[in-house]
Amino acid sequence: GAVVSQHPSRVICKSGTSVKIECRSLDFQATTMFWYRQFPKKSLMLMATSNEGSKATYEQGVEKDKFLINHASLTLSTLTVTSAHPEDSSFYICSARGLREGSYNEQFFGPGTRLTVL
Amino acid sequence: AQTVTQSQPEMSVQEAETVTLSCTYDTSESNYYLFWYKQPPSRQMILVIRQEAYKQQNATENRFSVNFQKAAKSFSLKISDSQLGDTAMYFCAFLPPTSGTYKYIFGTGTRLKVLA
Repeated sequence: GAVVSQHPSRVICKSGTSVKIECRSLDFQATTMFWYRQFPKKSLMLMATSNEGSKATYEQGVEKDKFLINHASLTLSTLTVTSAHPEDSSFYICSARGLREGSYNEQFFGPGTRLTVL
Repeated sequence: AQTVTQSQPEMSVQEAETVTLSCTYDTSESNYYLFWYKQPPSRQMILVIRQEAYKQQNATENRFSVNFQKAAKSFSLKISDSQLGDTAMYFCAFLPPTSGTYKYIFGTGTRLKVLA
């Protein structure tokens, strides 16, 4: 149980285009989803927190107009990287906080999406 | 500010041996959660073990156990009978639920290599 999927797993795009990454909780409802960015051999850096039906809360230094987050349902959150540039190339990971009893304080992680911007 | 420190960037251990990864944190909270996550080369984050601060008993999951010292704000992970599949990055994470945001605070990670 508590499976989180991400799609796509890898994406390559041209500079200036937009890319959408989906994060789904497959077997539970997620009131809160988190989006992280991870550089090679580094820790996870929280970009934003999204709550179903409300606007995302972005961490300091994260451009909300570049990284659009939508949490339209209790099982789906999307991250859109707008007008992507090579410096946006990275590994993006989502996680979901579950509504299941006993899991209120634990995040379940997706497998990540590797974005390469040419 | 709440912080998590993993002072060992890299460690190695011989297969079948025991290794301990350190994690210290700083907080004024009395109730919180601590986690150890494993990130293998696939980069999927996998929960290894979880500890609730109000529980004095150290958590254990098969070969993985923690030494939770609340007064010292220390949360080390012991891996017994190390296996090649334990090779991964290990992250310590702190969660203060009273913040209302349920955001994790991650350490910088320890890269563990298990040697054959």
